[in-house]
Amino acid sequence: SQTIHQWPATLVQPVGSPLSLECTVEGTSNPNLYWYRQAAGRGLQLLFYSVGIGQISSEVPQNLSASRPQDRQFILSSKKLLLSDSGFYLCAWSMVQEAFFGQGTRLTVV
Amino acid sequence: QKEVEQNSGPLSVPEGAIASLNCTYSDRGSQSFFWYRQYSGKSPELIMFIYSNGDKEDGRFTAQLNKASQYVSLLIRDSQPSDSATYLCAATSGNTPLVFGKGTRLSVIA
Repeated sequence: SQTIHQWPATLVQPVGSPLSLECTVEGTSNPNLYWYRQAAGRGLQLLFYSVGIGQISSEVPQNLSASRPQDRQFILSSKKLLLSDSGFYLCAWSMVQEAFFGQGTRLTVV
Repeated sequence: QKEVEQNSGPLSVPEGAIASLNCTYSDRGSQSFFWYRQYSGKSPELIMFIYSNGDKEDGRFTAQLNKASQYVSLLIRDSQPSDSATYLCAATSGNTPLVFGKGTRLSVIA
């Protein structure tokens, strides 16, 4: 069965520090991969999605970037975090009739 | 702009009643529709997927799709307090990213 791993679960980072969140998928090949952010009490905002290795589409201009170095690995990065980057970050994968989320990373920028 | 609209709620129903959650979407090219349940502080979990007009039943849950009206609904029969959560509707036209509504908060009163 398919499994999605996302880590870390929680993270507290100072303003201006770098960020790297990793997500890996098991049990499927060539999935579509996504990074979403959810602010407290708000909906899911799509940040990046990828349909294949090295293919990244950005939905929202910001100081975040994403990379897909391997078929089942998706990384979210920032060189310098802002206070507004705080939120719940969710990695997801989808095929035609399935779409599943990782456990999420709660990021607090202080 | 592809949009998915949901009433934010809260929707309150007594235990044992039927909860009806509604969702409309703007993109007529949308083909697949998902319902997720999200408990506070947790990642969304997939409840139902539907792509054909009509009803799809899974246990206490029934998803209904009307493509002509661009309308998707989720019925929860015999609602339980454990069903209290935020329910997210999502749509995709295939290889495009999932577009989420902001979610409807459901409260089942014992």
